[in-house]
Amino acid sequence: AQRVTQPEKLLSVFKGAPVELKCNYSYSGSPELFWYVQYSRQRLQLLLRHISRESIKGFTADLNKGETSFHLKKPFAQEEDSAMYYCALAYNFNKFYFGSGTKLNVKP
Amino acid sequence: GAGVSQSPSNKVTEKGKDVELRCDPISGHTALYWYRQRLGQGLEFLIYFQGNSAPDKSGLPSDRFSAERTGESVSTLTIQRTQQEDSAVYLCASSLGTGHSTEAFFGQGTRLTVV
Repeated sequence: AQRVTQPEKLLSVFKGAPVELKCNYSYSGSPELFWYVQYSRQRLQLLLRHISRESIKGFTADLNKGETSFHLKKPFAQEEDSAMYYCALAYNFNKFYFGSGTKLNVKP
Repeated sequence: GAGVSQSPSNKVTEKGKDVELRCDPISGHTALYWYRQRLGQGLEFLIYFQGNSAPDKSGLPSDRFSAERTGESVSTLTIQRTQQEDSAVYLCASSLGTGHSTEAFFGQGTRLTVV
């Protein structure tokens, strides 16, 4: 069965420090993976998708099929990055399965 | 509309009453999803509609929960005989439903409080 695991419920870092939000998945087919973000009092929105291999707001995520991971990274965290982050896997014509989320708190 | 719209934004109901939550997806989106987000928790999948296919109801927590969607338009999520543990934010999302890397667009959610 497909599964997305985000082991950290809360991650606190200081401004300027590197940040890595972990995501592991299990899926027998070829996964499509995404990171979604929910800022305070805003709706959930797409941050980035693995197929685009893009950097959004300084964040990158590399799909590692050997480790079945899709960790989200940023070299220098900013206070405005504080939000809830969800890793998601899409399968079977875009049925989405979300992880439980990691709350990132960037301290000044 | 420009995005996914949900109504009402907030709903307070008495335990035992039925509630109906509405979702207007983005026009042309064939896929529609309902999720539940309890306070401090992640997204819990409830139900998935894809075009005219039979919906995937595997996430509905009990038979008190049901959802309908007519064609590729509005969806309603109904909770009968509400319980306090039903209190949560109910999120709706829609996507094109075809092709790869299709983005899911979320509504602002309905905050349900059962007292």
